[in-house]
Amino acid sequence: GAVVSQHPSWVICKSGTSVKIECRSLDFQATTMFWYRQFPKQSLMLMATSNEGSKATYEQGVEKDKFLINHASLTLSTLTVTSAHPEDSSFYICSARSYRGPYYGYTFGSGTRLTVV
Amino acid sequence: AQSVAQPEDQVNVAEGNPLTVKCTYSVSGNPYLFWYVQYPNRGLQFLLKYITGDNLVKGSYGFEAEFNKSQTSFHLKKPSALVSDSALYFCAVRGGSSASKIIFGSGTRLSIRP
Repeated sequence: GAVVSQHPSWVICKSGTSVKIECRSLDFQATTMFWYRQFPKQSLMLMATSNEGSKATYEQGVEKDKFLINHASLTLSTLTVTSAHPEDSSFYICSARSYRGPYYGYTFGSGTRLTVV
Repeated sequence: AQSVAQPEDQVNVAEGNPLTVKCTYSVSGNPYLFWYVQYPNRGLQFLLKYITGDNLVKGSYGFEAEFNKSQTSFHLKKPSALVSDSALYFCAVRGGSSASKIIFGSGTRLSIRP
């Protein structure tokens, strides 16, 4: 089936540094990937939609200069949290939309726990 | 605007009993409906989806969901709960347009007691 690999699964960084999170579709091509943020005991909030070869579409209230998204190939999208602050600590999850004939679905990565100290 | 509601923050069920996790939605056009399960510090695992066809959808781990257009609901059910079913469950919806986003409900924590 469709598999999405997200790396790293957890990361601790110092305030002011940048962190890159990778999301790869392993056995299918994903023209569209999505990045979510999840706060403890809350639902997933869509941050941005990443389209291969074009600029990402950010949701209202999400700082595009802080959360840089690159989707350079059909199997890889990256989210870079720039100049991280403790309030950026969260669980980040990527998702890729896949098509398999009549199948339509969203496959999620395992998530990245970011802690900024 | 599309939306999805999970009215219960938590559902408690005894092992072996049937369980229901509720979900209602609002969307333009024909809905694409999904259920996902999340275990602590993990991503979301797909359970089942409804796009078209039979209103009763069967998914992973013995779960099923019934699409009810008139009530705009897509409740998740299982005839006999297991302790291992304890987790956080999300209902999600996408509108009929290819440009529509997938929107998640607030989640329902399912707790199965032995």
